[in-house]
Amino acid sequence: QVLLQESGPGVVKPSQTLSLTCTVSGGSISSGNYFWSWIRQHPGKGLEWIGYIYYSGRTSYNPSLKGRATISVDTSENQFSLKVTSMTTADTAVYYCARGSEPFDYWGQGILVTVSS
Amino acid sequence: DIQMTQSPSSLSASVGDTVTITCQASQDISTYLNWYQQKPGKAPKLLIYDASSVKAGGPSRFSGSGSGTDFTFTIRRLQAEDIATYYCQQYDTLPWTFGHGTKVEIK
Repeated sequence: QVLLQESGPGVVKPSQTLSLTCTVSGGSISSGNYFWSWIRQHPGKGLEWIGYIYYSGRTSYNPSLKGRATISVDTSENQFSLKVTSMTTADTAVYYCARGSEPFDYWGQGILVTVSS
Repeated sequence: DIQMTQSPSSLSASVGDTVTITCQASQDISTYLNWYQQKPGKAPKLLIYDASSVKAGGPSRFSGSGSGTDFTFTIRRLQAEDIATYYCQQYDTLPWTFGHGTKVEIK
C-alpha cells in the first residue's frame, strides 16, 4: 500500500515562498513508471493540477501558475517537494500530492495552506 | 487548455436510484478520462480510469462510458455512502484538467 503524506507550513505571508514536501512510503519513487504530482483545491472549489515530476527529474507545470511553481525530487529520502513563489491570497488552498502516470491513483490527505499577513 | 464541463453541478436522489453524471470535453480526448470521488474533508479517490475501467477493488455499481468529447459516469443502486462530489479529469493534453464537480446528495 503506497502512502503519501504532505508536510509544510499551514500559514504563509503574502509575497513569501511556500515550500511543501511529500513523503512517500510503501513504494520507491524511483521504481515504476509514475509521475509524482501536486494538485490544489481552493476552498469550496474544484481541483487544479499544479505540475509533476518524474524520478529522473523531468518536470511539467501548469501555465496557470505563471512560472511560480518548482517541483523537485529527493530519491534518497523518497520525497518530492513543491515551491511556489510570490504567494498571494489567491493561493490559499488545500495542497495534495499524488502518484499518477495518467490517473492519480494514490493521494496524500492534503494540507491547508492559508496566505495571510 | 481543455475545458471539462460537468453536469449537473448537483443532484439529489433516493437510495437505490440510478444516478448519471455527464462530462463534456472541449476537444476530442479519446478515452483519456478518469472519474474521482471526493468525500468532505478527504482527498479524491480514483474510481474509473480510461473512461470505463473500474479501479481494482472498486464497487461494481460504479461505471463509466464514452469517448471523444462526451462521457458518462453512472452509479447504480445509490447508497448513502456514495454521498460525495464526483470529478472527471482529462489526461489527453497537458495541463491535465478537471471538471468542476457534481455534488450527489440523498433525497
